[in-house]
Amino acid sequence: AQTIHQWPVAEIKAVGSPLSLGCTIKGKSSPNLYWYWQATGGTLQQLFYSITVGQVESVVQLNLSASRPKDDQFILSTEKLLLSHSGFYLCAWSTREVFFGKGTRLTVV
Amino acid sequence: GDKVKQSPSALSLQEGTNSALRCNFSIAATTVQWFLQNPRGSLMNLFYLVPGTKENGRLKSAFDSKESYSTLHIRDAQLEDSGTYFCAAEASSGSWQLIFGSGTQLTVMP
Repeated sequence: AQTIHQWPVAEIKAVGSPLSLGCTIKGKSSPNLYWYWQATGGTLQQLFYSITVGQVESVVQLNLSASRPKDDQFILSTEKLLLSHSGFYLCAWSTREVFFGKGTRLTVV
Repeated sequence: GDKVKQSPSALSLQEGTNSALRCNFSIAATTVQWFLQNPRGSLMNLFYLVPGTKENGRLKSAFDSKESYSTLHIRDAQLEDSGTYFCAAEASSGSWQLIFGSGTQLTVMP
């Protein structure tokens, strides 16, 4: 069975500090990978997708970047956090149907 | 405007009653997914639909690509059905984009 693990579970970070969120998928070879962002009480907004190692496409610009260093790993990062980066970040994988990880709750103070 | 319009935005149901949620699409959706998000944020997959209908226990969902809508019917609502329901549409085959509706916050009351 496929499993998706996101880390950390939660983060409190200062404005201007760097950020790195991670996601690992086990049990599935070469999945499509995604990052989503959800504001408190809001809908899910797709940020990035990747269909192969080393290739990442941006869907919206939020001063964030993503990388896929390995087939089963997806990283979301920024060098300088903004207050507007606060929210819930979800990693997902698919071949057809999309499945989500448990998310990382980020608070920027 | 909203590419995926979900209604209602909030709903209160008495335990044991039935209801329906709806999503209208202004895009040419090829597939639709329905999710239930719990208060901790975890998303549970409910349905993955190409045009047609699916049923799972007390839940039934339909997707009509020609009329550009999808519905989720809840029969005999239970307390554990409470949460936020999202529909999401894939805009076109192989687009790698899943566009979410704004969600329906469902509260089931005893």
